[in-house]
Amino acid sequence: NAGVTQTPKFQVLKTGQSMTLQCAQDMNHEYMSWYRQDPGMGLRLIHYSVGAGITDQGEVPNGYNVSRSTTEDFPLRLLSAAPSQTSVYFCASSLLAGATKQFFGPGTRLTVL
Amino acid sequence: ILNVEQSPQSLHVQEGDSTNFTCSFPSSNFYALHWYRWETAKSPEALFVMTLNGDEKKKGRISATLNTKEGYSYLYIKGSQPEDSATYLCALGDMRFGAGTRLTVKP
Repeated sequence: NAGVTQTPKFQVLKTGQSMTLQCAQDMNHEYMSWYRQDPGMGLRLIHYSVGAGITDQGEVPNGYNVSRSTTEDFPLRLLSAAPSQTSVYFCASSLLAGATKQFFGPGTRLTVL
Repeated sequence: ILNVEQSPQSLHVQEGDSTNFTCSFPSSNFYALHWYRWETAKSPEALFVMTLNGDEKKKGRISATLNTKEGYSYLYIKGSQPEDSATYLCALGDMRFGAGTRLTVKP
């Protein structure tokens, strides 16, 4: 099993550009989520999904969109990148929401100039 | 406590020392607490998921306890080794994370 994979590993964008961060898992997990990691602030939940076709907002959803058309994939879209979105982004999955172990992808380091 | 709080923020110990740190959380509407180990330049790795008051989990030299009535969990490391150096995160079942405790174990 590859576990949770993310692409790209690094990305530099200019302000106003859009892009999609890819996330996939091969463990047949229902729950998937996106986090951003900022210095001194730990991990903050952006969006999550409890199954294909179902998504919801987390703590810091503004400026991001998600969709979940399949169980395996959960892409994160930045609509119009801003310097405040410079961060490291982690995707994660777990069998069920909340009470089962969560597995993290390797992360994407995004810089917005 | 409105959010998840971890203490201390950082900890430096000598190899062989035993250590522990705390995760505090709101005790209302509790359903799960997660502990993660996060090494530099890697991604967080799940250690434990705890759901019941009084729960105790153990993995090698690392163990954790849970008190849901008073809203805290302790993580213990017995006989710390340099490879235990990492940031240890706790999170509630709704994925509210603490800021972590950074542990450095000196040889």
